[in-house]
Amino acid sequence: SQWGEENLQALSIQEGEDVTMNCSYKTYTTVVQWYRQKSGKGPALIILIRSNEREKRSGRLRATLDTSSQSSSLSITGTLATDTAVYFCAANSGTYQRFGTGTKLQVVP
Amino acid sequence: EAAVTQSPRNKVTVTGGNVTLSCRQTNSHNYMYWYRQDTGHGLRLIHYSYGAGNLQIGDVPDGYKATRTTQEDFFLLLELASPSQTSLYFCASSDGGRRFEQYFGPGTRLTVL
Repeated sequence: SQWGEENLQALSIQEGEDVTMNCSYKTYTTVVQWYRQKSGKGPALIILIRSNEREKRSGRLRATLDTSSQSSSLSITGTLATDTAVYFCAANSGTYQRFGTGTKLQVVP
Repeated sequence: EAAVTQSPRNKVTVTGGNVTLSCRQTNSHNYMYWYRQDTGHGLRLIHYSYGAGNLQIGDVPDGYKATRTTQEDFFLLLELASPSQTSLYFCASSDGGRRFEQYFGPGTRLTVL
């Protein structure tokens, strides 16, 4: 899992496998975003889930949000080598959002 | 698609030097942000702005100034650079109505010797 002072996690899986990454946040939030950052690039928003949603899907991505435990998860089904990246969650905290430390995912062909 | 550009892409300076990092967005977004990214810390917000002439502090503002000259342009200034400011810097923008959907630039790698 990731948030704040937690260390960057690293996962290595085979192409075609499913993977789930977890994130916990420390403050009340109304929306959680998941970003993907590929090597040498800036982060890119891949899915956003609001506090009134328990689950959100976008293609092979599925995000969940549990406001009672202040946690979110991102699942990727049927991973591809191109999914190799660092995945960050972010949660809004008042006037701006804060990012987790990220999960480094390597998908081996 | 949203476009955020940063310059320079790489910069090396010495301790005590002055550095200006530039960011331009062509999205007509009113919010712009400066982050630094360091291993083990993720992305940390330095400064942000919700319009020309406006400046707000983030979580790690010490040692940094910023200026928003137009809706498109946001600058980060390091007036007395220190080695602790060696980092990867990202600029981002977002629309006020969708403030937490941020579009990031490609980053500037700054090394302070």
